[in-house]
Amino acid sequence: SYVLTQPPSVSVAPGKTARITCGGNNIGSKSVHWYQQKPGQAPVLVIYYDSDRPSGIPERFSGSNSGNTATLTISRVEAGDEADYYCQVWDSSSDHRGVVFGGGTKLTVL
Amino acid sequence: EVQLVESGGGLVQPGGSLRLSCAASGFTFSSYWMSWVRQAPGKGLEWVANIKQDGSEKYYVDSVKGRFTISRDNAKNSLYLQMNSLRAEDTAVYYCASPTTGCSSTSCPNRYWGQGTLVTVSS
Repeated sequence: SYVLTQPPSVSVAPGKTARITCGGNNIGSKSVHWYQQKPGQAPVLVIYYDSDRPSGIPERFSGSNSGNTATLTISRVEAGDEADYYCQVWDSSSDHRGVVFGGGTKLTVL
Repeated sequence: EVQLVESGGGLVQPGGSLRLSCAASGFTFSSYWMSWVRQAPGKGLEWVANIKQDGSEKYYVDSVKGRFTISRDNAKNSLYLQMNSLRAEDTAVYYCASPTTGCSSTSCPNRYWGQGTLVTVSS
């Protein structure tokens, strides 16, 4: 089955740029979605189809996807961005068709 | 406004059964794939199952195949998850999720989520 690999943690100072990666075999050929989840809350979609932002998500959030790595970039990081972030794809292989989530990355704002 | 409200969670013994429900409102429920996603305590998100608009296609994560059944009632705007032969490792918050408006394929992102319902499998 398809595997998505994320770093367990990323730390960044306020005002700086955070980059969270999501690795997968030829992930550039798939559509990647990103979710933010704060403690005790349901996930929130922050990036979809690699780089689109839902309404209400700040422009500071952006995404890219190429080759074997997709990246969520958060510019001018704020304390309120501290959360867990998950990447997600749809695996269309015939024997394990389904949704796949990465293991999640905890973003810490120093 | 899109709303998804899960119910049916609770404490159940290993080997037992439970049926989760998700009441949907604020969108044309019958036009969208729907999903169940779970999160074990302190762990990450895990997709459980999804179901096509008319119920003709269903997909499951390997760990629940043969034990869980996803279904829907478009007349009642409701999604269900029948869980049988429950195990301790099924303990999790179960979320109902729906895609972005206008997106009707399996690759759609989950834009809307319920608040989740906790299932605890323990003796």
